[in-house]
Amino acid sequence: ETGVTQTPRHLVMGMTNKKSLKCEQHLGHNAMYWYKQSAKKPLELMFVYNFKEQTENNSVPSRFSPECPNSSHLFLHLHTLQPEDSALYLCASSQERGPTDTQYFGPGTRLTVL
Amino acid sequence: GQNIDQPTEMTATEGAIVQINCTYQTSGFNGLFWYQQHAGEAPTFLSYNVLDGLEEKGRFSSFLSRSKGYSYLLLKELQMKDSASYLCAGTDSNYQLIWGAGTKLIIKP
Repeated sequence: ETGVTQTPRHLVMGMTNKKSLKCEQHLGHNAMYWYKQSAKKPLELMFVYNFKEQTENNSVPSRFSPECPNSSHLFLHLHTLQPEDSALYLCASSQERGPTDTQYFGPGTRLTVL
Repeated sequence: GQNIDQPTEMTATEGAIVQINCTYQTSGFNGLFWYQQHAGEAPTFLSYNVLDGLEEKGRFSSFLSRSKGYSYLLLKELQMKDSASYLCAGTDSNYQLIWGAGTKLIIKP
């Protein structure tokens, strides 16, 4: 049990759909992250929130839109996605956004875009 | 540029020892993490090294050489449940984790 939950675990959507991924952490952390994990490629950092403020957006296309209403919840809103966006989307949290802060991951949402 | 290199796949035998290597090039360096990820599951934290040397945690040990930009994860007394991907990640000067693509470890009986 990691203390970070993600829903849904699996999602299939068409290119014209709009859906949202949800992440919740029960660890009392202040930083939250969205990553994309594609087969045989390194984890790609998408967004970072620290104390509810977005601190990083790593050149992510606007069809991905994050939202962080509080330190415990993080959403990733999806619209007009492309087939190449199919991947495992991982949420993580850490105490703060520091160099020694260990990140704790959720189980991920397996996204398939048709 | 920033880069983390680790082997794509390794195979070892149950009960044996295996060493997974990782080399890194980051702009600034603030430590190196190892994570384990079973198929379809979340990556889970194994170790963090910021100083040179070997850190041991039960069957798993992690080594770091800052001068060589090199780390390894050593797994002893391998068990079938150790079959997983092992991810190496270095922290750069902006506190961002630079990830390797992971090493898939296959344990055979």
